[in-house]
Amino acid sequence: QVQLQESGPGLVKPSETLSLTCTVSGASVSSYYWSWIRQPPGKGLEWISYMQHTGSINYNASLKGRVTMSIATSPNQFSLQLNSVTAADTAVYFCARRAPPENYFDFWGQGILVTVSS
Amino acid sequence: DIQMTQSPSTLSASVGDRVTITCRASQSISSYLAWYQHKPGKPPNLLIYKSSSLQSGVPSRFSGSGSGTEFTLTIGSLQPDDFATYYCQQYSSYPLTFGGGTKVEIK
Repeated sequence: QVQLQESGPGLVKPSETLSLTCTVSGASVSSYYWSWIRQPPGKGLEWISYMQHTGSINYNASLKGRVTMSIATSPNQFSLQLNSVTAADTAVYFCARRAPPENYFDFWGQGILVTVSS
Repeated sequence: DIQMTQSPSTLSASVGDRVTITCRASQSISSYLAWYQHKPGKPPNLLIYKSSSLQSGVPSRFSGSGSGTEFTLTIGSLQPDDFATYYCQQYSSYPLTFGGGTKVEIK
């Protein structure tokens, strides 16, 4: 069974960089596309980005170039960095696997709450 | 961006009820629509993809239909485990977008 687990700091200061890692078990990060999705408190889901280990990548333009994704095959992880955060970036962040060859998500992590506050 | 609008935002129902949730797209997405079930503290669970294809392991009481701009998720006979929030997602074009969610509550 494929499992994903997000990790990272739960509190980030405004203007700093949010960094999260997703550890994958049951599937190789080299074999699929991987995504980040977030949900601000009381709001809907927002897709952030996806990436394949070969470097193929796509970001949500609404995040205006603040997003960086990377994949590490050892250990089996991928990461998200979001620069220059504001309170509007406070959300539960989910990592997910893109179901090949389509753009929906067949496995998700349980999510991690990241609060942006001084 | 394609806007996805779900209705209702909250639905009160009883065990055994037939439940229908609607998702409308701001432009045609063909059949590129997925449905997810989400319970607090747990990962979202893929139910339906390509509008009407049931994900492996999902009970057959869940079904999806629609194409173009209007879609429905139906739960044939609501079970206690089905009380959750449901989201639709379009994957016709980027950015991928989700509906605002429908919370199914116990009546």
